[in-house]
Amino acid sequence: AQSVTQPDIHITVSEGASLELRCNYSYGATPYLFWYVQSPGQGLQLLLKYFSGDTLVQGIKGFEAEFKRSQSSFNLRKPSVHWSDAAEYFCAVGAINTDKLIFGTGTRLQVFP
Amino acid sequence: DTAVSQTPKYLVTQMGNDKSIKCEQNLGHDTMYWYKQDSKKFLKIMFSYNNKELIINETVPNRFSPKSPDKAHLNLHINSLELGDSAVYFCASSQGIKATEAFFGQGTRLTVV
Repeated sequence: AQSVTQPDIHITVSEGASLELRCNYSYGATPYLFWYVQSPGQGLQLLLKYFSGDTLVQGIKGFEAEFKRSQSSFNLRKPSVHWSDAAEYFCAVGAINTDKLIFGTGTRLQVFP
Repeated sequence: DTAVSQTPKYLVTQMGNDKSIKCEQNLGHDTMYWYKQDSKKFLKIMFSYNNKELIINETVPNRFSPKSPDKAHLNLHINSLELGDSAVYFCASSQGIKATEAFFGQGTRLTVV
């Protein structure tokens, strides 16, 4: 069965520091992979997605993610975090034979000034 | 213009009541979804509709009945509400039935007392 694991429940970083949020997936074929961000009281906004091709994908707000098939990972990175990045981040995998997204449990990012 | 809009944003009701949540998308998408986010922020798909036809029903109690009058609308009706139904419900839409980019609404926080 498809699944997504986000090992870090809560991460705290200082503003200006670099960030990496981890995501591992379990899927029988090449997955569709997504990172969504949920700001407090808001819906989910897509940061970036990977379907095929270049394994390093660029997203909005200065985020990027790298697909590593050998590690079944799709980690999200940002070189310099801003206070406005404080939010909940969700990794998701798309099941190709259906249209549903399977989400990880989320990582809460806290940013200190 | 809001792409995916849900009403109401907050809903507080007593056990045993029947309530509805409405969702509309103006993106021209043909697939719409309901996701449930529990108190631990875990997101799980409940239903998906493609061109008004039910595609996914993820073993949701039959007290939950989605209704899609047209491609742009997917409403969720819940009968005999229970305490465990308290959650945030997200509507989403996408184009096509493969797991492509989904656009989410802001969510409806349902509290059953």
